[in-house]
Amino acid sequence: AQSVAQPEDQVNVAEGNPLTVNCTYSVSGNPYLFWYVQYPNRGLQFLLKYITGDNLVKGSYGFEAEFNKSQTSFHLKKPSALVSDSALYFCAVRDSRGSSASKIIFGSGTRLSIRP
Amino acid sequence: NAGVTQTPKFQVLKTGQSMTLQCAQDMNHEYMSWYRQDPGMGLRLIHYSVGAGITDQGEVPNGYNVSRSTTEDFPLRLLSAAPSQTSVYFCASRELAGGSSYEQYFGPGTRLTVT
Repeated sequence: AQSVAQPEDQVNVAEGNPLTVNCTYSVSGNPYLFWYVQYPNRGLQFLLKYITGDNLVKGSYGFEAEFNKSQTSFHLKKPSALVSDSALYFCAVRDSRGSSASKIIFGSGTRLSIRP
Repeated sequence: NAGVTQTPKFQVLKTGQSMTLQCAQDMNHEYMSWYRQDPGMGLRLIHYSVGAGITDQGEVPNGYNVSRSTTEDFPLRLLSAAPSQTSVYFCASRELAGGSSYEQYFGPGTRLTVT
């Protein structure tokens, strides 16, 4: 069965500093990996995805994530945090071996708080 | 495009009452799904559909029914509401195949309280 783990409930970073939000996954086949962001009282918004190819993927708002197959990780990073990055971040995985209807499983979420 | 829309935004029910949460999308997506979001538990899949007339269960289907009579609409029915169903419900849609099939689009959510 596929699963996603986000070990930190909350990450606190000072504005201007680099940020990392951690994610590890477990799937039977090769993973499709995603990051979503949720601002207060809003639905989830897609940030970026890894399907195949370059292990470093770039997404919206200056975020990037690095796929590491040996460590089964897909950590979200940004070189310089902004206060406006404060939100709830979800990592998600889908097993590439499944059909096109295969389910996307979400992690429990990490609340990112950027202090001025 | 309106994207994915959900109604109502807020709802309070008494235990035992029934209701339907509405979801519609105007992107002609084959795949639609319902999630519930609870603190510390992320999003859990309730039911999903890969096209009109086809539905299947997710991780937490008990107490919920769905149907898909059209591509656009995917309502979620609570048959007899329980306090454990107090949650925020999100509807999502995506293409079933092809390069754009990996990105899910989410509605704004319905906050349900069962007393």
